[in-house]
Amino acid sequence: NAGVTQTPKFRILKIGQSMTLQCTQDMNHNYMYWYRQDPGMGLKLIYYSVGAGITDKGEVPNGYNVSRSTTEDFPLRLELAAPSQTSVYFCAAATRTGGETQYFGPGTRLLVL
Amino acid sequence: AQSVTQLGSHVSVSEGALVLLRCNYSSSVPPYLFWYVQYPNQGLQLLLKYTSAATLVKGINGFEAEFKKSETSFHLTKPSAHMSDAAEYFCAVSDADSNYQLIWGAGTKLIIKP
Repeated sequence: NAGVTQTPKFRILKIGQSMTLQCTQDMNHNYMYWYRQDPGMGLKLIYYSVGAGITDKGEVPNGYNVSRSTTEDFPLRLELAAPSQTSVYFCAAATRTGGETQYFGPGTRLLVL
Repeated sequence: AQSVTQLGSHVSVSEGALVLLRCNYSSSVPPYLFWYVQYPNQGLQLLLKYTSAATLVKGINGFEAEFKKSETSFHLTKPSAHMSDAAEYFCAVSDADSNYQLIWGAGTKLIIKP
């Protein structure tokens, strides 16, 4: 039982390039989340999904896109990378919202130069 | 939930001393409250959570936190710090106003002095 896995662990992008951050969970949880973590800022929600085929914007969605075709996978797409997207990205999964625990992946460190 | 404030971006304590990490939140409706820990180069994992049962919540690794509604606080404590407690700690809140999305504090890095 791997929980939540993320790939890649680290990536350097040039300004204007695109990439997809992968997130997979094997817990059969309906809710999935993408966060970014910037130093001294806590976590900010980018997008979330309440089940396959359903996604919604979080606090900081600009410059990102997501899809949720299966329960297991929730990829995050960056189009036209900008230096402001340099961050650590975390994916998380939960059975439902409210007081439920979110289970986090190990993160992807992204550097845009 | 509107916001979460963690007092002190860095807290330094000696090994064996009391650990106190402060968290205050703003919420006009009953909240769920969480403490997560992040060890270096790892994801976050749940330490403990308050979900409207007992106000004193016990978590993993000897940590506990008390929900005080009148003070809108959820401070994290541990009686005796260990070197292995060195990590960053995040407080988070969710409620109906935030559509139950987690609102996160900025984090407090706990430093343990030998």
